[in-house]
Amino acid sequence: RKEVEQDPGPFNVPEGATVAFNCTYSNSASQSFFWYRQDCRKEPKLLMSVYSSGNEDGRFTAQLNRASQYISLLIRDSKLSDSATYLCVVTIYSSASKIIFGSGTRLSIRP
Amino acid sequence: DAEITQSPRHKITETGRQVTLACHQTWNHNNMFWYRQDLGHGLRLIHYSYGVQDTNKGEVSDGYSVSRSNTEDLPLTLESAASSQTSVYFCASSAGPGGGAFFGQGTRLTVV
Repeated sequence: RKEVEQDPGPFNVPEGATVAFNCTYSNSASQSFFWYRQDCRKEPKLLMSVYSSGNEDGRFTAQLNRASQYISLLIRDSKLSDSATYLCVVTIYSSASKIIFGSGTRLSIRP
Repeated sequence: DAEITQSPRHKITETGRQVTLACHQTWNHNNMFWYRQDLGHGLRLIHYSYGVQDTNKGEVSDGYSVSRSNTEDLPLTLESAASSQTSVYFCASSAGPGGGAFFGQGTRLTVV
């Protein structure tokens, strides 16, 4: 079983729609959580951190559920420019930290 | 501004050759990572380092090596390049627990 699992998509939604992604992680030692965005053939870029209390950045809301070991990302009023692959990222701390990436969820926004 | 840079951006090499990909960061981060990403797939961890003289194997380390002689650099060496190592390679660094990672722009490697 992969340490971090995401629905690969693709999600194809109209502009202005609300879309949500989920991600599950298997290692209970996981302590930091992030969402990254990756555009085609480019490097991943940090979108936002994820906290148990939930956090919001404009149209983006991230949530962590430690009990169920899943992370979510909600995008409201989606724009064409939101089309990208969204990567769920977990940092695991044992004797040292390790960053594990999910395989990503592809999102395509249509006009 | 602090940054992380990879070189070369593109490289074509022949099977069996030794190849070294450079990664240099000016964030002064202790943690550095190498990933490969194959077309249509996610990132897979090759090697990582938590500080000078520290190196660790990731999930796909066979055929690759790294060394960390200073904080800024983590070069990735393919000992004897194989066609299966044709991929895009990303280097990343992070400050440590709780901090996100920052990525270089990637090196597109083709082994012919």
